[in-house]
Amino acid sequence: DVKVTQSSRYLVKRTGEKVFLECVQDMDHENMFWYRQDPGLGLRLIYFSYDVKMKEKGDIPEGYSVSREKKERFSLILESASTNQTSMYLCASSPSRGSAEAFFGQGTRLTVV
Amino acid sequence: AQRVTQPEKLLSVFKGAPVELKCNYSYSGSPELFWYVQYSRQRLQLLLRHISRESIKGFTADLNKGETSFHLKKPFAQEEDSAMYYCALAGAGGYQKVTFGTGTKLQVIP
Repeated sequence: DVKVTQSSRYLVKRTGEKVFLECVQDMDHENMFWYRQDPGLGLRLIYFSYDVKMKEKGDIPEGYSVSREKKERFSLILESASTNQTSMYLCASSPSRGSAEAFFGQGTRLTVV
Repeated sequence: AQRVTQPEKLLSVFKGAPVELKCNYSYSGSPELFWYVQYSRQRLQLLLRHISRESIKGFTADLNKGETSFHLKKPFAQEEDSAMYYCALAGAGGYQKVTFGTGTKLQVIP
């Protein structure tokens, strides 16, 4: 059974804190993604990575950074959390060959107070 | 640039009625199209993809390149179909950015 695991299901952080969201996949996928999911806005791509140490900005990268030091792990970093970053964050991975089906983690509900 | 448009935020149908969830896309090459579904309190999961041309849970979707559409259809809605549905597009190439639409909530009324 394929697995994408996000380290936290729920997080509450204070404005200005540095926040780390961790994601691990066990499928040896090259591609990994971070999305935020908001009602009425769907899934918006924050960053993606197609290889270790490689990253590309998605549609809404402002206020975020990422790290991919190992193939299986992709971290999302909020350098200074703000209330407008309160959201559901979804991590996904996909292979670079064959079908681009994305496999998702269970999500992290982040609340910034 | 790649874009996916789902014009309906909410679609309500009665049990047994036909369902059509609309999806239009914009992409300059030959994309791979998907439908994902998210049931209440579950993770997002793949429902079907255009390249496999299969029917999953009674749902089908046909890629129409002329109209750049990939509408999801089911002849008879069931209550367990109530969920959030997302259309998605992956570009061609060695690494594939996956872009999602804004989603359509399907509500099947008993």
